[in-house]
Amino acid sequence: QKEVEQNSGPLSVPEGAIASLNCTYSDRGSQSFFWYRQYSGKSPELIMSIYSNGDKEDGRFTAQLNKASQYVSLLIRDSQPSDSATYLCAVNIGSNFGNEKLTFGTGTRLTIIP
Amino acid sequence: KAGVTQTPRYLIKTRGQQVTLSCSPISGHRSVSWYQQTPGQGLQFLFEYFSETQRNKGNFPGRFSGRQFSNSRSEMNVSTLELGDSALYLCASSYLAGSSYNEQFFGPGTRLTVL
Repeated sequence: QKEVEQNSGPLSVPEGAIASLNCTYSDRGSQSFFWYRQYSGKSPELIMSIYSNGDKEDGRFTAQLNKASQYVSLLIRDSQPSDSATYLCAVNIGSNFGNEKLTFGTGTRLTIIP
Repeated sequence: KAGVTQTPRYLIKTRGQQVTLSCSPISGHRSVSWYQQTPGQGLQFLFEYFSETQRNKGNFPGRFSGRQFSNSRSEMNVSTLELGDSALYLCASSYLAGSSYNEQFFGPGTRLTVL
């Protein structure tokens, strides 16, 4: 079992709809979870961090964390063509301070269809 | 506030050579991590430095090494380059304080091609 798993996609969503991206992780002790967006040929850009169970909203983005199910998701509301990118789920596996090592999923390629 | 900077942005080397990549973190950030990104393996952790000390290391051979200076700038070195070392090398920095203390912010990367 991979430490961080994502559906590789591609995921196609009509403009204006909600895009839902999912991620599962293997280590129950993990405490920090991140979503990055990566455009082709560019470096990853942090868009959300989440540390506690529940939802965290930032503009059109909502991250959801369920530690019991070892599941983290990202919702993008009112999807725009500029949201077309690869979305990477990253988990700080294990305990936090002193172990700043992110383990990444393989990424989900999202395409927003105008 | 300036972001993470990496130099050089592009590099072409031949097998057997060595290479040194440089990373300057966001001002005030003390933790610097290095990652390798390839189409086949995705993003993989190389090592992390904090206060000039390597605290964590990924599963890479000893040909990959790094260091951090007192101003938090970091370098990584790859010796005896192999074709498989061709990749995008990414540096990320963290503040390690505050409520979102271990968010990592990436630089633009160094694209290394080994011929």
